[in-house]
Amino acid sequence: KQEVTQIPAALSVPEGENLVLNCSFTDSAIYNLQWFRQDPGKGLTSLLLIQSSQREQTSGRLNASLDKSSGRSTLYIAASQPGDSATYLCAVRPGNTPLVFGKGTRLSVIA
Amino acid sequence: ETGVTQSPTHLIKTRGQQVTLRCSSQSGHNTVSWYQQALGQGPQFIFQYYREEENGRGNFPPRFSGLQFPNYSSELNVNALELDDSALYLCASSLGGLGGGYEQYFGPGTRLTVT
Repeated sequence: KQEVTQIPAALSVPEGENLVLNCSFTDSAIYNLQWFRQDPGKGLTSLLLIQSSQREQTSGRLNASLDKSSGRSTLYIAASQPGDSATYLCAVRPGNTPLVFGKGTRLSVIA
Repeated sequence: ETGVTQSPTHLIKTRGQQVTLRCSSQSGHNTVSWYQQALGQGPQFIFQYYREEENGRGNFPPRFSGLQFPNYSSELNVNALELDDSALYLCASSLGGLGGGYEQYFGPGTRLTVT
């Protein structure tokens, strides 16, 4: 059974700092991996989608990497801003099955 | 291009009642998935509809049921509500059912509170 773990559960950083969020999964047989942002009480906003054949994806200040063989992904946020404060969720698509999510990392960026 | 929409935004129900949540999929998408997100947890898959047929179900009891309409919009019905059903219910649309690894696009969610 696929399980997704995100570390740390919560993170507080000063504005301007670069940071890394970690995601690990137990079964490397995945179609793709997605990183989402969730503001309190709101839905999910897709940030980056990495297909199983890719190693990384970039969007603006965000960079996500995927190491399928070791079951790991990282989300790198450069020059963090208070507006980046949210919960970041990692989810994998293990073949012909729905998304399996981690519990998320709650990020606070302090001005 | 219209995104995924859900209604209502918030809902308060009493234990034992029934509730219907609605979702309109993104234009061109034929697949709708429903997820339940309890406070502090990641979303859990309830079921998925592809071209009006259920084609995948998570570990949820039969009192959770759904429909998909010819325009690919969808409903989630929950009977005999329990306190533990209190959660954020998320709808996601995509192409191609469970196969193919298509990207899912999520709606804003419906917050259900059962008292």
